[in-house]
Amino acid sequence: QKEVEQNSGPLSVPEGAIASLNCTYSDRGSQSFFWYRQYSGKSPELIMFIYSNGDKEDGRFTAQLNKASQYVSLLIRDSQPSDSATYLCAADLYGQNFVFGPGTRLSVLP
Amino acid sequence: DTEVTQTPKHLVMGMTNKKSLKCEQHMGHRAMYWYKQKAKKPPELMFVYSYEKLSINESVPSRFSPECPNSSLLNLHLHALQPEDSALYLCASSQDRNSGADTQYFGPGTRLTVL
Repeated sequence: QKEVEQNSGPLSVPEGAIASLNCTYSDRGSQSFFWYRQYSGKSPELIMFIYSNGDKEDGRFTAQLNKASQYVSLLIRDSQPSDSATYLCAADLYGQNFVFGPGTRLSVLP
Repeated sequence: DTEVTQTPKHLVMGMTNKKSLKCEQHMGHRAMYWYKQKAKKPPELMFVYSYEKLSINESVPSRFSPECPNSSLLNLHLHALQPEDSALYLCASSQDRNSGADTQYFGPGTRLTVL
């Protein structure tokens, strides 16, 4: 069973802090990893993807991938109340399977 | 432009009705997907079309019938649904299932209520 795990949260951080969201996956064949943000009642919106070990930065967001540990994370710097949403981690097994984790609810407190 | 459109936005139907959900993309993507999402759960994959051929069917009941008339359009035909089928139905598209880092872009979804 290919699985992607996330803490369901809620993860609460004060405005301006760094929010750290974590994800683990079970299938070592997974090659690409995605972070989506989903506001309540809306569809998932892509934030970032990563497929190489290491860090990838885009504005306030940094994705980190460690394939040896089967671990992906998303850091959000200078968190804003508008970042409050559910963050979905997804793993893609090359052309075979695309699996979402259960999502982590993030709450950024003003 | 990374836009995927879906119609209708909301749909209420009875258990004996037949209706269809529509999805369209003009990004030249060759893979299209249907997902079902219940409240506070992640999207669940239903169907994948790759180059207009059904490549994945995740054991979805036959009351859901997908159709891909061309590379830009994806339909989901609904018949004899049950109240537990009420959910947000999401369409997504991606460039090519056989390429690396094949990013999926989601439409806004259709909120379906079955009475």
